[in-house]
Amino acid sequence: DGGITQSPKYLFRKEGQNVTLSCEQNLNHDAMYWYRQDPGQGLRLIYYSQIVNDFQKGDIAEGYSVSREKKESFPLTVTSAQKNPTAFYLCASSMMVGGRNSPLHFGNGTRLTVT
Amino acid sequence: AQSVAQPEDQVNVAEGNPLTVKCTYSVSGNPYLFWYVQYPNRGLQFLLKYITGDNLVKGSYGFEAEFNKSQTSFHLKKPSALVSDSALYFCAVDQAGTALIFGKGTTLSVSS
Repeated sequence: DGGITQSPKYLFRKEGQNVTLSCEQNLNHDAMYWYRQDPGQGLRLIYYSQIVNDFQKGDIAEGYSVSREKKESFPLTVTSAQKNPTAFYLCASSMMVGGRNSPLHFGNGTRLTVT
Repeated sequence: AQSVAQPEDQVNVAEGNPLTVKCTYSVSGNPYLFWYVQYPNRGLQFLLKYITGDNLVKGSYGFEAEFNKSQTSFHLKKPSALVSDSALYFCAVDQAGTALIFGKGTTLSVSS
């Protein structure tokens, strides 16, 4: 089955540690995205990538980093510089058609807790 | 800047009654509009989209949405609500081919 896999589902880290969230897709989608979800704030865009080896900052990129070395993979690193990292992180992918997004496919998320 | 607003944090409806979840948008150019649903601790699932053409768009699970250009709205509707429709609903707009911008979400609660 084609889809997006995020791992792990739950992640616990101590403050000051960097942590990497995994996102893999086998849909052959060009574009991949990372969103952060907090209660009452909806989804906020962290980073996105529309082609391999290229990515763009979203609205809340500070304290995060990404890489896109392969079309299938778009890992997100939450660094110690992120002031409030505890959140639910969602990865998504889409085809780009005529320069516009087709519907996004989402993974099931990673819930990160930093204490 | 392009944006999406969902003016209601929560919508309550009785099972069997029609439901509406509101969405308004602000974009330049022709908007691509989407509705998604999220169940607890899960990712978002695509319901329907508007790109062009007929203003009434039909989607999954009996949902539909009406695009109104003059009111810049894209309200989600269903003629008869089910308890299983209870979830968090998000409206989104395609930001000129870069990334989708989401509203803050509306919790739909359907009572039996």
